[in-house]
Amino acid sequence: QVQLVESRGGVVQPGRSLRLSCAASGFTFSRYGMHWVRQAPGKGLEWVAVISYDGNKKYYADSVKGRLTISRDNSKNTLFLQMNSLRAEDTAVYYCAKDQMATIDYWGQGTLVTVSS
Amino acid sequence: QSALTQPASVSGSPGQSITISCTGTSSDVGGYDYVSWYQQHPGKAPKLMIYDVSNRPSGVSNRFSGSKSGNTASLTISGLQAEDEADYYCSSYTTSVVFGGGTRLTVL
Repeated sequence: QVQLVESRGGVVQPGRSLRLSCAASGFTFSRYGMHWVRQAPGKGLEWVAVISYDGNKKYYADSVKGRLTISRDNSKNTLFLQMNSLRAEDTAVYYCAKDQMATIDYWGQGTLVTVSS
Repeated sequence: QSALTQPASVSGSPGQSITISCTGTSSDVGGYDYVSWYQQHPGKAPKLMIYDVSNRPSGVSNRFSGSKSGNTASLTISGLQAEDEADYYCSSYTTSVVFGGGTRLTVL
């Protein structure tokens, strides 16, 4: 069965960096696009970024362009999100999610990132 | 990338039917048949309930159905059950993804 397991988040100071990872199993990782979606405490879902199956195409939400970078290592079945210049408004649960032909069909359990001094 | 518009809350009694609307524009909901619906229980990850406007993934109850007219998509849940109480989100997928603000469903 599909499993997506995000790395532990944590508390990070404003302006600092953090890299999240997501270990995928139960499907052929290299054949599917992957997304990051976040959810601020008590708020709705916000799409962050998507990467194509081969890593050649990446698209970002305007709110994170230039600060967050999505990448993948198909040899290790792992998705990444590099987060730089973090702000308080980046505080959220971050979900790794699998793409399936114009929908998101599987989600990880999420990991909480708190940006605070 | 403006969020799609959903009602903040809806409610219904067990056995009844409810409909949640999701309004976008001709650039997203109205322009493509790539509308999905997700169910999220408190503290849990979202779960795909409907994709491509009206298709149900394997294992999702046929009490859940989706439709679209113009720039507005709809999720209908028939025969409401207590376990349907959750937040529901619509999304539209082009080169990026945009979500609705979410609708809290209360089963009275």
